[in-house]
Amino acid sequence: GAGVSQSPSNKVTEKGKDVELRCDPISGHTALYWYRQSLGQGLEFLIYFQGNSAPDKSGLPSDRFSAERTGGSVSTLTIQRTQQEDSAVYLCASSLVGGASGSTDTQYFGPGTRLTVL
Amino acid sequence: AQKVTQAQTEISVVEKEDVTLDCVYETRDTTYYLFWYKQPPSGELVFLIRRNSFDEQNEISGRYSWNFQKSTSSFNFTITASQVVDSAVYFCALRGFTGNQFYFGTGTSLTVIP
Repeated sequence: GAGVSQSPSNKVTEKGKDVELRCDPISGHTALYWYRQSLGQGLEFLIYFQGNSAPDKSGLPSDRFSAERTGGSVSTLTIQRTQQEDSAVYLCASSLVGGASGSTDTQYFGPGTRLTVL
Repeated sequence: AQKVTQAQTEISVVEKEDVTLDCVYETRDTTYYLFWYKQPPSGELVFLIRRNSFDEQNEISGRYSWNFQKSTSSFNFTITASQVVDSAVYFCALRGFTGNQFYFGTGTSLTVIP
């Protein structure tokens, strides 16, 4: 079946511009995560959506970052007034159910969007 | 605190050697979940294994094996008879019982030299 897809795969933008990154989770997965991976670094948690519950935004680094998930499926991560330090790979993951005790919490990742801010 | 430490930043081995990737974790939860992911040069993270804290049985899957030691808070990953295709960055991750967040280590970059 189809995995997690993300678009665009690469995005080059100028400092100060806004960007939107898209994530299509695996069909039927209720939980969706966004991460940021800077060069040579681990994964930094950004935001988590679970069904219709309020998202966990505790990882968003500043108010320039926001995300929404429409209809419990597709998610868009928006970065306003981009800065050079925003350059990174942005990864999306989905799981059948988040916060679960069974294996339904296992995350499956998309290929990422490489963002370069000039 | 919830934290995962992968002290080995980079490892190089010659093909067919065995290699162990270390993972040490910290958590305040008595029930928690541990994961390993592989990130090949193509960039997409691939799920390898999930382990519950109450199941300390070691697991073997082909050339891969995992050693979970609760006493030392470690969840190490061994590749037997390494192959060039094993070259990748490997991440260990932790999820606590009560939270939604996954805590990832900084990864170990493995290079298998032919």
